[in-house]
Amino acid sequence: AQTVTQSQPEMSVQEAETVTLSCTYDTSENNYYLFWYKQPPSRQMILVIRQEAYKQQNATENRFSVNFQKAAKSFSLKISDSQLGDTAMYFCAFMKHNTDKLIFGTGTRLQVFP
Amino acid sequence: DAGVTQSPTHLIKTRGQQVTLRCSPKSGHDTVSWYQQALGQGPQFIFQYYEEEERQRGNFPDRFSGHQFPNYSSELNVNALLLGDSALYLCASSSQIVWTDYNEQFFGPGTRLTVL
Repeated sequence: AQTVTQSQPEMSVQEAETVTLSCTYDTSENNYYLFWYKQPPSRQMILVIRQEAYKQQNATENRFSVNFQKAAKSFSLKISDSQLGDTAMYFCAFMKHNTDKLIFGTGTRLQVFP
Repeated sequence: DAGVTQSPTHLIKTRGQQVTLRCSPKSGHDTVSWYQQALGQGPQFIFQYYEEEERQRGNFPDRFSGHQFPNYSSELNVNALLLGDSALYLCASSSQIVWTDYNEQFFGPGTRLTVL
């Protein structure tokens, strides 16, 4: 069975600074995907960034980038130039290839303050 | 494009009652997954429907059942409600029609169920 662990229940960062959210996972699969989702107070889960396990290059989406360490089963999210609108719950998630079933961590609450 | 919609937004029930939640997938999507998100937790996969059949199921009791209609919309039914069923229920849709290496899931805003 796959598990996803987020060990930081809460994080805070000042506007324009950089913050890193941690995630580790456990799986015996070799072909899978990893995701970071953002859930603002509106509750709608929004995909932030995706990483395919077979790709060595770390994914980047504008201010968001990941540090994917496959051997260590680590998948951290770096948010650069933090903005007030980044305030939300962030969930790390795992998906085995060809299943469409997401396994989520418990989330990290990120507060960006002025 | 309306995106994924869910109804109702909020719902209050008492123990032992039955509840039905509804989900309309994003236009062009044919697969619907349901997740339960308890307070302070990450979402947990309940089941997934494709071609009007349950294709995958998570670790939830038979009190949780579902249905998918020919227009791809879906219902989640929970019987004999327990206090522990209080949660945010999320629906996500994706498409099997367009082949890609993975099918991105789009989430709805959820239904907040409170069981008293």
